[in-house]
Amino acid sequence: DTGVSQDPRHKITKRGQNVTFRCDPISEHNRLYWYRQTLGQGPEFLTYFQNEAQLEKSRLLSDRFSAERPKGSFSTLEIQRTEQGDSAMYLCASSLGRTGFGNTIYFGEGSWLTVV
Amino acid sequence: GENVEQHPSTLSVQEGDSAVIKCTYSDSASNYFPWYKQELGKRPQLIIDIRSNVGEKKDQRIAVTLNKTAKHFSLHITETQPEDSAVYFCAANNRDNYGQNFVFGPGTRLSVLP
Repeated sequence: DTGVSQDPRHKITKRGQNVTFRCDPISEHNRLYWYRQTLGQGPEFLTYFQNEAQLEKSRLLSDRFSAERPKGSFSTLEIQRTEQGDSAMYLCASSLGRTGFGNTIYFGEGSWLTVV
Repeated sequence: GENVEQHPSTLSVQEGDSAVIKCTYSDSASNYFPWYKQELGKRPQLIIDIRSNVGEKKDQRIAVTLNKTAKHFSLHITETQPEDSAVYFCAANNRDNYGQNFVFGPGTRLSVLP
């Protein structure tokens, strides 16, 4: 399968613990995105990388959240001191960057986080 | 920034009938509008998209129309089948800053009744 892959698919953690999610984008894609989705809602943008550069961050991304893409390939999203409100599905997506019109983004299967 | 609204939130149709989902956007600079289908517990999957240089695009039973003046776009599914049952999301690209992220609508839950 050459699609976007995410790991782990499910994570249950106690409030206050740190969690880290990994995303491997489609190999030739230079853009990588993190979105968050809660039940009954559409995906909400968190952050975006072009190669290794983090170019945009949403106001939703508090200082407890940090994302990296050190070599311009895989990315990690870490949540420190988790809170119950962090419970959601964290979706990674990637796209092939082109100028002009927006580029189609392809999602991974998501990482479900439950904070208890 | 961009804001996307989507209606209806739920839609039930009889198998074989057509379904229409409508979205509006706020930023006239947006120029790319994809539609995603999400089945329960699965990833959102792109089903069709449209760019602002065309007014309509069709792919078999699925079509999308775009009215740039009114800033709205619609998804049309004809001859619906039970496997079309899912949540559908519209999106528009956000041209703020680097303009490469997307704003999604809240989704429409489509149920196709046999």
